[in-house]
Amino acid sequence: DIQMTQSPASLSASLEEIVTITCQASQDIGNWLAWYQQKPGKSPQLLIYGATSLADGVPSRFSGSRSGTQYSLKISRLQVEDIGIYYCLQAYSAPYTFGAGTKLELK
Amino acid sequence: QIQLVQSGPELKKPGESVKISCKASGYTFTDYAMNWVKQAPGNGLKWMGWINTQTGKPTYADDFKQRFVFSLETSASTAYLQINNLNIEDTATYFCTREEVEVMDAWGQGASVTVSS
Repeated sequence: DIQMTQSPASLSASLEEIVTITCQASQDIGNWLAWYQQKPGKSPQLLIYGATSLADGVPSRFSGSRSGTQYSLKISRLQVEDIGIYYCLQAYSAPYTFGAGTKLELK
Repeated sequence: QIQLVQSGPELKKPGESVKISCKASGYTFTDYAMNWVKQAPGNGLKWMGWINTQTGKPTYADDFKQRFVFSLETSASTAYLQINNLNIEDTATYFCTREEVEVMDAWGQGASVTVSS
């Protein structure tokens, strides 16, 4: 199975700050990487797919990038509504695997 | 608009079965595969597998091969997850999520299952 190592596990940041979350894949997964945001009591919402493509309706302050088998989600200017838990997901091969999640809080 | 509406919360005893529904609307049901994802309380997301909505063929992740059944009622645009012989570790929220080309872009609101004696 492909392992997705996500870091950090938690993150405290100030409004307007730049935030970066990373996922390291245990093997090549190409661009088959997505990022999701989950708020308490809600279902995950797609932010980024194909490693770098912004999902419909997602603010442009979110962006995704790839360097080899390391993937990053960047929030360029943190807003209050960005608070939640973020997960990466590899859909290159079954079983699909999620990162352990990053809990993003306001400082 | 695209919607996946799941059935309500369930409270079950160990050894019982539960069947969760996921009704799709706003798109052609058979154009997208349906995946299932488990989230235990306070935990992350775990992929359970998927069902081909054109053929009805299910594929299960290893941890979900024994007591879990994915099924369809295509005429009603509805997918089902049945869990047999429930145990405490099955207490979780279960999400259905549609997939196209390895992108899970729409999710149900989640169905809570609590297993307690």
